Amino acid sequence: GQNIDQPTEMTATEGAIVQINCTYQTSGFNGLFWYQQHAGEAPTFLSYNVLDGLEEKGRFSSFLSRSKGYSYLLLKELQMKDSASYLCAVSLTYSGYSTLTFGKGTMLLVSP
Amino acid sequence: DGGITQSPKYLFRKEGQNVTLSCEQNLNHDAMYWYRQDPGQGLRLIYYSQIVNDFQKGDIAEGYSVSREKKESFPLTVTSAQKNPTAFYLCASSRTDNIQYFGAGTRLSVL
Repeated sequence: GQNIDQPTEMTATEGAIVQINCTYQTSGFNGLFWYQQHAGEAPTFLSYNVLDGLEEKGRFSSFLSRSKGYSYLLLKELQMKDSASYLCAVSLTYSGYSTLTFGKGTMLLVSP
Repeated sequence: DGGITQSPKYLFRKEGQNVTLSCEQNLNHDAMYWYRQDPGQGLRLIYYSQIVNDFQKGDIAEGYSVSREKKESFPLTVTSAQKNPTAFYLCASSRTDNIQYFGAGTRLSVL
């Protein structure tokens, strides 16, 4: 079966740096996604890693190690608006179909 | 503007009733998906469709049905067989690069 783990909650201070980890055990791995979801709203796409290494997009970076089944999302210069749930999702392909399997999400609370 | 539209935003179901959630996209995406989100459970895949007139069951398809008669539309019916339908339902669509874009969601409750 598929198994994706990420911490349930994290707290950080405005202006700080936070790293949200995600580990996975899956078959048919095709890439790893990070989404941000504010309470009561739809998830929005943040980043996508298909190869090992670091992808940087402004204040957000995402890292992938396929051999270790490990990814992290790094958020720099935290702002209050970054308080949200961060969803790790693994892209899987089998029988010619691609789907996403989501972790349960990490709720990040940014305090002043 | 291009996007994914889900309606209604809130929906109430009576005992034994079937209800249909609408999802329309004008992004010209081939693939569409339905997810259910419960507190503390993350997103779970109900059904997905890669092309018109074809769809596949996801992890929790029991008690749900879908159709894909047009590329733009992927309605989800919550049948009376779904005994615990209260949840936040999210529709998504994607191109072949698999980045999924989500609608604003429908919150379904039972009366």
